[in-house]
Amino acid sequence: EIVLTQSPATLSLSPGERATLSCRASQSVGSFLAWYQQKPGQAPRLLIYDASNRATGIPGRFSGSGSGTDFTLTISSLEPEDCAVYYCQQGSNWWTFGQGTKVEI
Amino acid sequence: EVQLVESGGGLVQPRGSRRLSCAASGFTVSSNSMSWVRQAPGKGLEWVSVKYSAGNTNYADSVKGRFTIARDDSKNTLYLQLNSLRAEDTAVYYCARHTQLSPTAFDIWGRGTMVTVSS
Repeated sequence: EIVLTQSPATLSLSPGERATLSCRASQSVGSFLAWYQQKPGQAPRLLIYDASNRATGIPGRFSGSGSGTDFTLTISSLEPEDCAVYYCQQGSNWWTFGQGTKVEI
Repeated sequence: EVQLVESGGGLVQPRGSRRLSCAASGFTVSSNSMSWVRQAPGKGLEWVSVKYSAGNTNYADSVKGRFTIARDDSKNTLYLQLNSLRAEDTAVYYCARHTQLSPTAFDIWGRGTMVTVSS
């Protein structure tokens, strides 16, 4: 099983600041890495797929990068509504998720 | 509107059974790969089972032999039969559509249905 490790566990920032979230895979997943946003009581929402492609309707302040084992989700300028837990997920060998990064604003 | 709506959750006794349903609208379930993903209270996300558009299936080791995924094309609905339930199966169960070009991610999610396994 491919294990995904996210860091940091919690990120506390102010509106307008840049957020950088990391996801490291226990073995290469190529570019088959996705990012999701989950708010309390809601289902996850796909933000980024195949490492760097924004999903339909996702604002341009969200971007993804990386390949192989190291990936980054960047929120260029935080908005209050970005307060959520963010999960990475690999689709190279079945599907597994990281443990999540909580973004506090 | 593209939408998934799960139902069938509830309180179940240990070793009991439950069938979850996921009704789709705005797209055809049989033309897509579909999965169930669960989330235990306060925990992260765990993939449970997949039904590929071709019809083949697969399961996480934690549920293999106990859960069965199925599809009713006439009702455009995905199902998950849960048998021999354990306390650790307590979770919100989401159904999710795989991205269409390549089933590496999940682009549409339902709101989930809660299954609680307890005596």
